[in-house]
Order: sequence, then structure tokens, then C-alpha cells
Amino acid sequence: QTVVTQEPSLTVSPGGTVTLTCASSTGAVTSGYYPNWFQQKPGQAPRALIYSTSNKHSWTPARFSGSLLGGKAALTLSGVQPEDEAEYYCLLYYGGARVFGGGTKLTVL
Amino acid sequence: EVQLVESGGGLVKPGGSLRLSCAASGFTFSSYSMNWVRQAPGKGLEWVSSISSSSSYIYYADSVKGRFTISRDNAKNSLYLQMNSLRAEDTAVYYCARDDLPTVTTSWGQGTLVTVSS
Repeated sequence: QTVVTQEPSLTVSPGGTVTLTCASSTGAVTSGYYPNWFQQKPGQAPRALIYSTSNKHSWTPARFSGSLLGGKAALTLSGVQPEDEAEYYCLLYYGGARVFGGGTKLTVL
Repeated sequence: EVQLVESGGGLVKPGGSLRLSCAASGFTFSSYSMNWVRQAPGKGLEWVSSISSSSSYIYYADSVKGRFTISRDNAKNSLYLQMNSLRAEDTAVYYCARDDLPTVTTSWGQGTLVTVSS
């Protein structure tokens, strides 16, 4: 069974920069896993942020960026805002199947 | 505006069945692959199943394979999830989600809660 691992929690100060990562139990994450990133706030449905590693949706704030870093997918928030406090999930594609990471709870403090 | 509205959730006993629906509007439903994703209370997201635009390709998570069946009716702009042999661990909010491309999951509904309990 494939497991996708994210940091359970991270804390960042307003205006700061933080990087969330997404690792696969099958080995290094490459662009061929088409990493997607989603933001979810309490009581809300997830919202898509990043697709295919680094591509932003039209509504994605410029401070969010995606990349590959040390064999993992990464989501970097630069100039963090209080409203960025949320749970963040990565999604990797394994042929027809997909696996979500366990999520990272980002606290802005 | 893309709208996805799930329905059909509720309380069901272990071993029972339930059929979820997702009504789509605001886009050409027959052109897009669709998915079911669930979230147990206080837990993370879990991909459940995907179906291609013409139903040619269907995939399931191992946790539901053989118990759940995804289907769609493009004439009715609707996605379905037939859930049989339900277990307590199937308790979750079930979301339908649209793929803009095969590897780009973009739009989500608000979810419907399924509770499996005696």
C-alpha cells in the first residue's frame, strides 16, 4: 500500500516563509506523479491551489508556489498571511490510482 | 459557474447500502472525469474512486474495491457512488470532485455525510 507523507504540523509567523513537503513511499517524487496541492479550512471543502508540480490555478495567490525538492513535492508560502492558516494536502497520481498525503496543519502565529 | 451538489448521505447500519449522487451544473459534464473523495471526521482526505468522461476508465481505492461502484449518467449530468457492505470505517463526508485534466483535480462539491453505525 502506497503511503504519501506530509509534515503533521508547521508553524510560521505572519510575513514569513514556510515550505511543506510531500513524500512517496515508492521513492522520489517526480513530475510524473503530477503533484497537486489543496487547502482546506475548517468546515469547508478543499480548494485546489497547485497542479502538475508548480502550476497555479487562476485563483491561487502569488505567494503560493510548488516545486520538487530533494525527492519530494513541495509547497512554499512566501509572505504568509493570517488567512493562510489551514490544512494543506498533497495528491499524487499513480497511474489510475491517486493517494492523498495525510495533511499538514499550518498555524500562523 | 461550476456547481457540484452531493446528496444521498445519511445514517446506515453496518452491512447496509447507500447510493450517493452528485448533480453537476455550469459546465459540460460529459467532457470531464469525475471523482469521489472522502474525509472521516477529524481526519484527512482519502481518494475513493474515479471515472472517465465516457465511463471507459474506472479506478477504486483498495479500501473500497469490490464494495463500492462508481457510475455516471451524462444525460442527467450526474455522478453516483453505490456503496454496499458498509463498515464503520466508511463513515465520512463524501465529496465529488471534477478533473479539469486527468491529473488536475479542481472543483469540489460541499460534501454529504455518511454515518455507518448500529
